[in-house]
Amino acid sequence: DAKTTQPTSMDCAEGRAANLPCNHSTISGNEYVYWYRQIHSQGPQYIIHGLKNNETNEMASLIITEDRKSSTLILPHATLRDTAVYYCIVRLLLSSGSARQLTFGSGTQLTVLP
Amino acid sequence: DTGVSQNPRHKITKRGQNVTFRCDPISEHNRLYWYRQTLGQGPEFLTYFQNEAQLEKSRLLSDRFSAERPKGSFSTLEIQRTEQGDSAMYLCASGISGGTGQGAFYEQYFGPGTRLTVT
Repeated sequence: DAKTTQPTSMDCAEGRAANLPCNHSTISGNEYVYWYRQIHSQGPQYIIHGLKNNETNEMASLIITEDRKSSTLILPHATLRDTAVYYCIVRLLLSSGSARQLTFGSGTQLTVLP
Repeated sequence: DTGVSQNPRHKITKRGQNVTFRCDPISEHNRLYWYRQTLGQGPEFLTYFQNEAQLEKSRLLSDRFSAERPKGSFSTLEIQRTEQGDSAMYLCASGISGGTGQGAFYEQYFGPGTRLTVT
């Protein structure tokens, strides 16, 4: 699976949008971009995933550049409960239906400030 | 609660002792994963099962580590002759395999983890 690069930490004011970047310049055509987050003392939680189109769900939006070498996770209105480590993961999914384990990096510590 | 559960949540043991952790996945999930997480790092994959079959175990950290899922439901992870370097959070996740075509998606649902401290 392709390697990802994320900033170590970021701050965001409560109520503002949090934009978390991820670099995955070696991504291949059949690798998806996933985002998970881990709130302190809890297991990781799935947020969103995408292949090449922008995606939105009730938690966040995922913007993937046209060349797919980077992406941005957007939390539109950050709250204090969004303080967590955010992991960007590139993962190969095969058309046969098999999937690989998640390969986590060190992630970005997002701190939402009151 | 229908999520992934792990027991115990905390375990303190002396070096050289054996420990066993249990994971109960979401009931309809046929895949079960074990990860280890040390302080300041992301989770590190150890092994996974599809039903009762262990499909990947080359990432287990040493032959002191073993995992089972005898009936395709709950799983146990055992560490024999624990060392201080084994101190970490051990996470279990479950998911579903299967599905067809591009975009088949396999979310993993994580449990709260078992924190092991080896003294």
